[in-house]
Amino acid sequence: EAGVAQSPRYKIIEKRQSVAFWCNPISGHATLYWYQQILGQGPKLLIQFQNNGVVDDSQLPKDRFSAERLKGVDSTLKIQPAKLEDSAVYLCASSNTSGPSYEQYFGPGTRLTVT
Amino acid sequence: AQTVTQSQPEMSVQEAETVTLSCTYDTSESDYYLFWYKQPPSRQMILVIRQEAYKQQNATENRFSVNFQKAAKSFSLKISDSQLGDAAMYFCAYRSPWKLIFGTGTRLQVFP
Repeated sequence: EAGVAQSPRYKIIEKRQSVAFWCNPISGHATLYWYQQILGQGPKLLIQFQNNGVVDDSQLPKDRFSAERLKGVDSTLKIQPAKLEDSAVYLCASSNTSGPSYEQYFGPGTRLTVT
Repeated sequence: AQTVTQSQPEMSVQEAETVTLSCTYDTSESDYYLFWYKQPPSRQMILVIRQEAYKQQNATENRFSVNFQKAAKSFSLKISDSQLGDAAMYFCAYRSPWKLIFGTGTRLQVFP
């Protein structure tokens, strides 16, 4: 079974530029999550999708961050315009909500550096 | 709001020895799940072990076991017979009902 795929793996941009990250979850997983992991901290949930609907985006900075999952499969997270404090690893995860413990499977992440 | 605290930023252990990583959490809920995740330097998070709050029996997965103290809101991870491949960041996480809340992590070093 293929795991969660993310691209790109690394991205360097200047502040005020825009950037987009892509995630393809495990096949059949209805729930998709985007996390932000700042260096030295644990991941923080940005947004959760159930199929193509948003379940929780309470910690998403909506003035600059947006995310979509149009067909209920892959997802894109965008930052526009980027700030220095957005430098972090962006992790995508998916889960099969029919499972007994809703285990989340993580992708390798995208390391974003904003200069 | 639920919080997860890992008070040990770094731990070290000799190969083949045993190490325990600490985690405490705060919640007013009675039904929840707790997890330990491992994040090697490549950054892909891997689930190590899970515990359901309503189960009194401590979870065990091969060399990994937990000490779950519900009343004390404590959830420690014990790694027995440590191996070089166990070196990684370890994150404790709380989930209820679908949202994972992570601690700040413990960096485990394993020395030969």
